[in-house]
Amino acid sequence: EVQLVESGGGLVQPGGSLRLSCAASGFTFSDHFMDWVRQAPGKGLEWVGRTRDKARGYTTEYAASVKGRFTISRDESNNSLYLQMNGLKAEDTAVYYCTRDLITGRGFDYWGQGTLVTVSS
Amino acid sequence: DIQLTQSPSFLSASVGDRVTFTCRASQGISSYLAWYQQKPGKAPKLLIYAASTLQSGVPSRFSGSGSGTEFTLTISSLQPEDFATYYCQQRNGYPLTFGGGTKVEIK
Repeated sequence: EVQLVESGGGLVQPGGSLRLSCAASGFTFSDHFMDWVRQAPGKGLEWVGRTRDKARGYTTEYAASVKGRFTISRDESNNSLYLQMNGLKAEDTAVYYCTRDLITGRGFDYWGQGTLVTVSS
Repeated sequence: DIQLTQSPSFLSASVGDRVTFTCRASQGISSYLAWYQQKPGKAPKLLIYAASTLQSGVPSRFSGSGSGTEFTLTISSLQPEDFATYYCQQRNGYPLTFGGGTKVEIK
């Protein structure tokens, strides 16, 4: 059974840092693109960024709103995805979801339960 | 960036109704479109990908169509468990973007 379990959310002050983790199980982690998607309270979905599969060198893409502040990485040895968030702003407050992309790259077929990040003084 | 506009943003319907909502892209995206359903407090769920392919396990009352800039999601007979918010997502280019959502509520 495919499972994605996020952790690491919490309250952080503006300008602070936080690292989110996503533990993946039940599938070949290196074969899939993995993405982070966030949802501010009461708002819609926003794509944050992705890391491609091993065959494509785990290269990354980011939304303009987080580029230069957030870094996505993955550890194949323990099937984990990470989101390092630096320079946090109030507008980064959201539930952050870890997602798995279909092999075909056509949709996020599995989502974690989400972890809440609150940026406030 | 490719903008996705969903309409309507809110829809009130009854169990058994046939409902259709639209997602329009600001530029052509071929068939690189996915639809998701989200219930309150839950993660989204993939319903349709490649504009019209039903994800495994999704009931056949859901269907998608379209290509280029205009896409539709249809629920042939609305069930109680279908009251939720629906989002489209384009996958044609970066950044990946989502529409603003259509919330389906009980009439």
